[in-house]
Amino acid sequence: EVQLVESGGGLVQPGRSLRLSCTASGFTFGDYAMSWVRQAPGKGLEWVGFIRSKAYGGTTEYAASVKGRFTISRDDSKSIAYLQMNSLKTEDTAVYYCTRVRRGGYSSGWTYYYYYYMDVWGKGTTVTVSS
Amino acid sequence: QPVLTQSSSASASLGSSVKLTCTLSSGHSSYIIAWHQQQPGKAPRYLMKLEGSGSYNKGSGVPDRFSGSSSGADRYLTISNLQSEDEADYYCETWDSNTNVVFGGGTKLTVL
Repeated sequence: EVQLVESGGGLVQPGRSLRLSCTASGFTFGDYAMSWVRQAPGKGLEWVGFIRSKAYGGTTEYAASVKGRFTISRDDSKSIAYLQMNSLKTEDTAVYYCTRVRRGGYSSGWTYYYYYYMDVWGKGTTVTVSS
Repeated sequence: QPVLTQSSSASASLGSSVKLTCTLSSGHSSYIIAWHQQQPGKAPRYLMKLEGSGSYNKGSGVPDRFSGSSSGADRYLTISNLQSEDEADYYCETWDSNTNVVFGGGTKLTVL
């Protein structure tokens, strides 16, 4: 069974750091990009960032709201993705979800386009930033 | 950067059908999207990937009652024979050319 399990959430003071983990099972973790999405209480989904697979450089992209404060990394030998969160703010309070990212492509005329989408979600871990 | 627009709420009766809409912003009408369902108090669940042609691929275990279709910049999620467990928030998702993710604001579906 394909599964993602987040851990590491908790209560933390503003300005402090926290590291979340996402442990994957049921698929070849190293073949996939992984993403983090968060949801503040009573709000919609907000993308945090993602990390490509090593085959595509293992590089990362981040939402403007967390760029420079959050870092995503991966350990393919352990099938774990991490979200390192520094300089936390009260507005970072949310449930944090880990997702698997699928990649595909198609041709249109002479141009080849890539597309991505999330096809597996974890159950989430709650982060509360408060003094 | 594409923008995804969804109605904030929808309602339909038990056993009936409902069609939810996700509209892509101008210049992005060819984009592929994904639909996700979030039942109350639960994590989101992937429902399907939906192309501009109307072709869709559902996730494992998604009932046959869920289907997708497209028209221009509009991407639809149709739920037939509505069940009480279909009462949920539904989000659409897409990625821009810089691999940044965009979510729609979500539609809260009430089953009457």
